[in-house]
Amino acid sequence: SQKIEQNSEALNIQEGKTATLTCNYTNYSPAYLQWYRQDPGRGPVFLLLIRENEKEKRKERLKVTFDTTLKQSLFHITASQPADSATYLCAPASPPSGGYNKLIFGAGTRLAVHP
Amino acid sequence: GAGVSQSPRYKVAKRGQDVALRCDPISGHVSLFWYQQALGQGPEFLTYFQNEAQLDKSGLPSDRFFAERPEGSVSTLKIQRTQQEDSAVYLCASTLTGLAGIETQYFGPGTRLLVL
Repeated sequence: SQKIEQNSEALNIQEGKTATLTCNYTNYSPAYLQWYRQDPGRGPVFLLLIRENEKEKRKERLKVTFDTTLKQSLFHITASQPADSATYLCAPASPPSGGYNKLIFGAGTRLAVHP
Repeated sequence: GAGVSQSPRYKVAKRGQDVALRCDPISGHVSLFWYQQALGQGPEFLTYFQNEAQLDKSGLPSDRFFAERPEGSVSTLKIQRTQQEDSAVYLCASTLTGLAGIETQYFGPGTRLLVL
């Protein structure tokens, strides 16, 4: 069955450093992968989407890579700030024949950025 | 404009009680999803609506779970005879068109259900 693995341990980093979060998947060939941010008591918020034919995608301080050979996506936050502290969820996806976008999420990695 | 809203935000139920959770999607959004999120886990798909049609209910854990969207806008997730294992956050998400392809899902804040 499809399996998505994210760092189970919380990631603690110092403000200003780069945070790198990992998403590995098995038994799956997604056409694209989405990253979401979730704060306590809130629903996930979309951050970035990367397609299988894209190696890298950037948005402000965020960068996502997608290696279909390694079956892995890396999510980077540069110049991290305490406000970046949250849980980050990855969701590889391939629209089924019906066409709708049913997301399968990893368990998420909790990031804590310390001043 | 307003995002996805859900009510109630918190619900405490006694085991065996029926509960109804409401989702108001973004106005005009065709597709609506329900997810269940256990503590420390990612959201897990429950069911999908395109307008009023329930096209996928493969994620509903048992026949105690029932969802509807009768007029293609507001949706209700009903859980009958609640059990302790039903305790979780129930998230609703909507997307604009529901057509094949890639769309961002807009999530509501969730309803936290605790079954005692």
